[in-house]
Amino acid sequence: AQSVAQPEDQVNVAEGNPLTVKCTYSVSGNPYLFWYVQYPNRGLQFLLKYITGDNLVKGSYGFEAEFNKSQTSFHLKKPSALVSDSALYFCAVRDSINTGGSQGNLIFGKGTKLSVKP
Amino acid sequence: NAGVTQTPKFQVLKTGQSMTLQCAQDMNHNSMYWYRQDPGMGLRLIYYSASEGTTDKGEVPNGYNVSRLNKREFSLRLESAAPSQTSVYFCASQEEHRGYGNQPQHFGDGTRLSIL
Repeated sequence: AQSVAQPEDQVNVAEGNPLTVKCTYSVSGNPYLFWYVQYPNRGLQFLLKYITGDNLVKGSYGFEAEFNKSQTSFHLKKPSALVSDSALYFCAVRDSINTGGSQGNLIFGKGTKLSVKP
Repeated sequence: NAGVTQTPKFQVLKTGQSMTLQCAQDMNHNSMYWYRQDPGMGLRLIYYSASEGTTDKGEVPNGYNVSRLNKREFSLRLESAAPSQTSVYFCASQEEHRGYGNQPQHFGDGTRLSIL
């Protein structure tokens, strides 16, 4: 069965410092990986995805993520954090082999709250 | 372009009451989903509809029913609300092609439901 782990409930960084939000996954085949961001009282917004190819994926708002197959990780990164990046971040995985029926559904991590202080 | 629209945004119910949450998308997506979000538990899939005319259970379907009214609309019904169903409910849609799963889901802004 596929699963996603976000080991940190909260990450605190100072504005201007680099940030990393961690994600590890487990799937039987090759993964499709996604990062979403949720601002207060809003739905999830898509940030970036890894499907295949280059392990470094660039997304919206200056975020990027690195796919590491050997470590089964897909950590979200940003070189210089902004106060406006403070939000809840979700990692999600889908099995690329079985995309039909229930096996094709996204599995979400429990979320990591990012707090960026001035 | 509205994307995914959910109504209502807030609702308070008494135990045993029934209610239907509405969701509509204007992106011509085939697949639609209902999730619930609870603190510390991420998003859990309640029901999904891979295409118009089909619906299937997700991870936590008990106490809920759904209707895929047409390609645009996917509703979630609580027949007899219970306090355990107090949650934030999100609808999502996804462009889906047979054999592919690499498209992101698009989410509405949620319905905040409290059951007393």
